[in-house]
Amino acid sequence: EPEVTQTPSHQVTQMGQEVILRCVPISNHLYFYWYRQILGQKVEFLVSFYNNEISEKSEIFDDQFSVERPDGSNFTLKIRSTKLEDSAMYFCASRTDSNTGELFFGEGSRLTVL
Amino acid sequence: AQRVTQPEKLLSVFKGAPVELKCNYSYSGSPELFWYVQYSRQRLQLLLRHISRESIKGFTADLNKGETSFHLKKPFAQEEDSAMYYCALRGGYKLIFGSGTRLLVRP
Repeated sequence: EPEVTQTPSHQVTQMGQEVILRCVPISNHLYFYWYRQILGQKVEFLVSFYNNEISEKSEIFDDQFSVERPDGSNFTLKIRSTKLEDSAMYFCASRTDSNTGELFFGEGSRLTVL
Repeated sequence: AQRVTQPEKLLSVFKGAPVELKCNYSYSGSPELFWYVQYSRQRLQLLLRHISRESIKGFTADLNKGETSFHLKKPFAQEEDSAMYYCALRGGYKLIFGSGTRLLVRP
C-alpha cells in the first residue's frame, strides 16, 4: 500500500541554522500539507499546497517557513533561522483531488533545536 | 471561528467496558468531521468520517448538529484500542484537529 514518506525521522540542529524537511507524498495525490505538533500540544496546520502554489497557510507559517515541490515527487519544508520553539514533530500529509479525500500522513520528522 | 474541542486528555477504561470519546466543534456551515487514530509508534490514520456513517473496528460516531458534537463510541473496548484519538474538522482545504484524547484500555 502506498505511503507518505518523510526524512529525516529526527534532526537535531543549533538555533539559527536552516533546516529542510523532506516528504514524498503518495504519487497520484494532488494536495500536500505540513502540520506541526509541539510536544504535548495539538496537531497544528501549517500550510497546504496545490498546483505548485500555496493554497492556504496558517498564522504560524510566517516568512521563516517556505515550501517547495522541486520535482515531481518531493515536497519540502524549509525552516530558516531556527528557534528553540520550532522544536516539534512535523507531519507531511497528502490527499487526492476528491472532495472528501482522506488525508494520508507520514510518520513525522522530529526536529530538536538546541 | 473554526474549532475542535476534546475535553478529555486521558480516558482509562477496563477491557470490555463501553467507551465514549467526546468531541465538540465550532463551525459556521455544514461541517465535515473525522476521527483519526495514532497507535503507538505509528502514523496518524483515518478511523472514520461522519459522511460514511460506517463502523470501523467497532467504533461509531454520530454527528449531532444541535449539540455540535461528534462523539466516538465503542460498546466493548479492547486492549488494542489503546491509542491517541483525534477529532478533526474540515475547514477549507485543511483539517483542524482537536488536542486529542489518549485512550488506555486496561486488561
